Amino acid sequence: EDQVTQSPEALRLQEGESSSLNCSYTVSGLRGLFWYRQDPGKGPEFLFTLYSAGEEKEKERLKATLTKKESFLHITAPKPEDSATYLCAVQAATDSWGKFQFGAGTQVVVTP
Amino acid sequence: DTAVSQTPKYLVTQMGNDKSIKCEQNLGHDTMYWYKQDSKKFLKIMFSYNNKELIINETVPNRFSPKSPDKAHLNLHINSLELGDSAVYFCASSQSYRGTDTQYFGPGTRLTVL
Repeated sequence: EDQVTQSPEALRLQEGESSSLNCSYTVSGLRGLFWYRQDPGKGPEFLFTLYSAGEEKEKERLKATLTKKESFLHITAPKPEDSATYLCAVQAATDSWGKFQFGAGTQVVVTP
Repeated sequence: DTAVSQTPKYLVTQMGNDKSIKCEQNLGHDTMYWYKQDSKKFLKIMFSYNNKELIINETVPNRFSPKSPDKAHLNLHINSLELGDSAVYFCASSQSYRGTDTQYFGPGTRLTVL
């Protein structure tokens, strides 16, 4: 059965304290892996798409990487405004086109 | 301008009632989706429409019926509401349903069934 697992469930960081979030997936053929950010009371906001192992994408303090089994979202020198829940989603080759499978997310809190 | 909008933002209703949630996108996308986010924060796809045609229909009770009057609108009608329907419902859209097009989400509708 296809699964998307994110860890840790929650992460508390001091401002400037870099860390990484993990998204592990077991799907039969990966079409794409997506990272979203979700603020309380709002819809998920798109961050990155990764397609193949070895691929990396960066945006400000965030960097996403992909291997054959997992993806990491690295947060470098986080600021309080980086506090959010980070969601990972995969689109599997065995699923209908357009069907994303989401993980439960990692809630990140960055304190000053 | 809001890319994907939903109304209402909050919906509180009694068990057994019928309610609708509306979604509109101004991105010119062909594909729209409905997701349900439960109390454990899992986002699960319910339906998707491509240019008014149903593409994805997950295992969702028949009480849920999507309607797409045109490709910019996808509404969700729920009959005979139950306590377990309480959740946040998100609408999303993408350029197409083929490939790995990014899905853009609306702000969500928090449905509370009493």
